[in-house]
Amino acid sequence: AQSVSQHNHHVILSEAASLELGCNYSYGGTVNLFWYVQYPGQHLQLLLKYFSGDPLVKGIKGFEAEFIKSKFSFNLRKPSVQWSDTAEYFCASERWGKFYFGSGTKLNVKP
Amino acid sequence: ETGVTQTPRHLVMGMTNKKSLKCEQHLGHNAMYWYKQSAKKPLELMFVYSLEERVENNSVPSRFSPECPNSSHLFLHLHTLQPEDSALYLCASSQERTPKGEQYFGPGTRLTVT
Repeated sequence: AQSVSQHNHHVILSEAASLELGCNYSYGGTVNLFWYVQYPGQHLQLLLKYFSGDPLVKGIKGFEAEFIKSKFSFNLRKPSVQWSDTAEYFCASERWGKFYFGSGTKLNVKP
Repeated sequence: ETGVTQTPRHLVMGMTNKKSLKCEQHLGHNAMYWYKQSAKKPLELMFVYSLEERVENNSVPSRFSPECPNSSHLFLHLHTLQPEDSALYLCASSQERTPKGEQYFGPGTRLTVT
């Protein structure tokens, strides 16, 4: 069965630090990949998505993710985080209409 | 405003109660989903409706019963739940196309079973 793994459950950073959140998916075939963000008290919303083409995907709010097929990875990055990036981040994959989510990474950015 | 609304936002129910969760999407999508979000666990896909037909049922106990009367509305009927069913229940919608579009989520219903 397909699965998505997020290795960091809780990350604490200071403002202006660089961020990288890991995401690995288990299926080796064609798969669509997503990062969602859930700010405190708000709904899940899409940060960025990858379907095909350029493996470096740029999303909203300065986030980007790189699809590395050989590593089955889709890590999320941001060069300089802000306090407002404090949220929970979920990686997800989709194949044949089925969505699979990771367990999430809570990011706490200290001002 | 995401275009996906859920009511109620909070629900406390006893194990013998019957209640329903409601989801409505205003995005013109034709697929709707129910997820269960528990602490420190991946989102668990419960049910998928595509074009008003149930296409996915991930071994969910029968005490959870979904209903999709039309493409804009989705219900989750709850009956004789257990305390371990306490969680955040999320509704989502998407547009069926290739490649599949992203999902739009509602704010969720925080369910507590006492």
